[in-house]
Amino acid sequence: NAGVTQTPKFRILKIGQSMTLQCTQDMNHNYMYWYRQDPGMGLKLIYYSVGAGITDKGEVPNGYNVSRSTTEDFPLRLELAAPSQTSVYFCASSYVGGSNEKLFFGSGTQLSVL
Amino acid sequence: EDKVVQSPLSLVVHEGDTVTLNCSYEVTNFRSLLWYKQEKKAPTFLFMLTSSGIEKKSGRLSSILDKKELFSILNITATQTGDSAVYLCAGRPRTSGSRLTFGEGTQLTVNP
Repeated sequence: NAGVTQTPKFRILKIGQSMTLQCTQDMNHNYMYWYRQDPGMGLKLIYYSVGAGITDKGEVPNGYNVSRSTTEDFPLRLELAAPSQTSVYFCASSYVGGSNEKLFFGSGTQLSVL
Repeated sequence: EDKVVQSPLSLVVHEGDTVTLNCSYEVTNFRSLLWYKQEKKAPTFLFMLTSSGIEKKSGRLSSILDKKELFSILNITATQTGDSAVYLCAGRPRTSGSRLTFGEGTQLTVNP
């Protein structure tokens, strides 16, 4: 069972560069999420999606974009990387509507912007 | 704005000790509270609590929710070094896309 798969695991960017963090899930979950976690902090929601074609902002969306063209995939785009975006990024998914709506997390992407 | 506060932020104990981690929440139209354990990588699910006063138990870990006082506790008995991790709690509302609001976490260190 693959679950939630994120790539890459590590990335170093220069200020102003762009990149896409990939996330895919094979559990047919309807909801998908992107979180960032700064050192010693909890997780902050960047964007989320309730289904293919539908996305919405979370707590900290500035500097990011997302798309959800399929149920499985939810990529996160950084257009102009800034040092403030240095963080660990987690993708997650859940099935909302059933009896157990726990989130399943990917293994994370460590991003450094220098 | 929803808010979740955990205490203590860090805790160091010896193997065999019992610990209690606290989580207070202010979540509009509250639905459930979740506990996660985070070691080096992704958080892993521990418990989901929706009803007051009903203890959830898994081995040496247990958790309970008080919806009147808006808090939850996570207990770990007979701690082991493998329990060392960050423990996160998160509140979920009934609406807003089922978004979780996470606390900062409690860093638990269990020394041999």
